[in-house]
Amino acid sequence: NAGVTQTPKFQVLKTGQSMTLQCAQDMNHEYMSWYRQDPGMGLRLIHYSVGAGITDQGEVPNGYNVSRSTTEDFPLRLLSAAPSQTSVYFCASSYSYGLYGYTFGSGTRLTVV
Amino acid sequence: ILNVEQSPQSLHVQEGDSTNFTCSFPSSNFYALHWYRWETAKSPEALFVMTLNGDEKKKGRISATLNTKEGYSYLYIKGSQPEDSATYLCAFMNRDDKIIFGKGTRLHILP
Repeated sequence: NAGVTQTPKFQVLKTGQSMTLQCAQDMNHEYMSWYRQDPGMGLRLIHYSVGAGITDQGEVPNGYNVSRSTTEDFPLRLLSAAPSQTSVYFCASSYSYGLYGYTFGSGTRLTVV
Repeated sequence: ILNVEQSPQSLHVQEGDSTNFTCSFPSSNFYALHWYRWETAKSPEALFVMTLNGDEKKKGRISATLNTKEGYSYLYIKGSQPEDSATYLCAFMNRDDKIIFGKGTRLHILP
């Protein structure tokens, strides 16, 4: 099992550019989620999905879009990158919300200049 | 506003000593509490999932307790080893699908 695979590991964007962070899992997990990690703060939930075709907003959704067309994939789209989106992004998945531990991807370090 | 506090922020412990730290969370609308271990340059790894008041979980030298009525959980490490050096995160989940992570306790084991 590969677990949760995130790509790319590193990315530098110019302000205003768009990009998609990829997240794929091969564990047949229904619940998938995206977080950002900023210095001095806990992991903050951006968007989550409880199954294919279902997504919802987390604590900090502005500037990000998600979709869930398959159980395996949960891409995160930055529509028009801003310096405030410079962060480390983690994708995580689980069999369900709360009742099982989350498996995290290795993270994407994004810098917006 | 949901708030999850972890204390202390950082902790230095002599190898072989035991230690514990705290996660405080809202005492209402509780659904689950998770503990994660996060080593530098790696991803968080799940330690415990706790859902019932009074839960006690154990994995080797690490154990955790849960008090949902007063809103706290303790993580204990017995006989600390160098490989225990990491940041320990707790995550509070309520019944409205809201998850809040604490900022973590950074544990350093001194040889």
